[in-house]
Amino acid sequence: GAGVSQSPSNKVTEKGKDVELRCDPISGHTALYWYRQSLGQGLEFLIYFQGNSAPDKSGLPSDRFSAERTGGSVSTLTIQRTQQEDSAVYLCASSLARQGANTEAFFGQGTRLTVV
Amino acid sequence: DQQVKQNSPSLSVQEGRISILNCDYTNSMFDYFLWYKKYPAEGPTFLISISSIKDKNEDGRFTVFLNKSAKHLSLHIVPSQPGDSAVYFCAAPLRTLKLTFGTGTRLQVTL
Repeated sequence: GAGVSQSPSNKVTEKGKDVELRCDPISGHTALYWYRQSLGQGLEFLIYFQGNSAPDKSGLPSDRFSAERTGGSVSTLTIQRTQQEDSAVYLCASSLARQGANTEAFFGQGTRLTVV
Repeated sequence: DQQVKQNSPSLSVQEGRISILNCDYTNSMFDYFLWYKKYPAEGPTFLISISSIKDKNEDGRFTVFLNKSAKHLSLHIVPSQPGDSAVYFCAAPLRTLKLTFGTGTRLQVTL
């Protein structure tokens, strides 16, 4: 596609259930990021992929959060046993991330997760 | 450790006036900076960037200034328009190319 695509756009889930969020980056972009934005807060970094590997997982808030990326393309962010504090907009971004080149990241529209 | 900081969570400016959004950073290894704009219910979009070899970059109504000695950058919007009302984030890539974002400043341009 032309841009970063995220699905679903909205997800309402019951506390304790697992959810999977999907991100389709721009074709050819090697770097992929997951961020989240809670109500009234700034962008919180979760995880960064370079290809299929994740050199930086430092932002994942707990072991209930995991992410994978396959084929250097699609990524899924999984939240197990969701809690109400997980409610936020989850944003995915991708970039060319060529070494030595300064390229911006392009964001998807986000997935609004509401845990009830 | 918040390496990129935006200390003003919100700013209100009258239409036609200048908006100045500020950003401070602590990591002297940053050599490139970006500004993003975010409307509600949309993902952030890239606005303007600056390399550390420059102290100013201009694109239409938007100008970014960089003061390396002070580890400070600012985004100027002149003249401000109601459509500029959004949340603005500054960001910088580390050597791993991971973007580090500030917490954002909500700009409200009033009529």
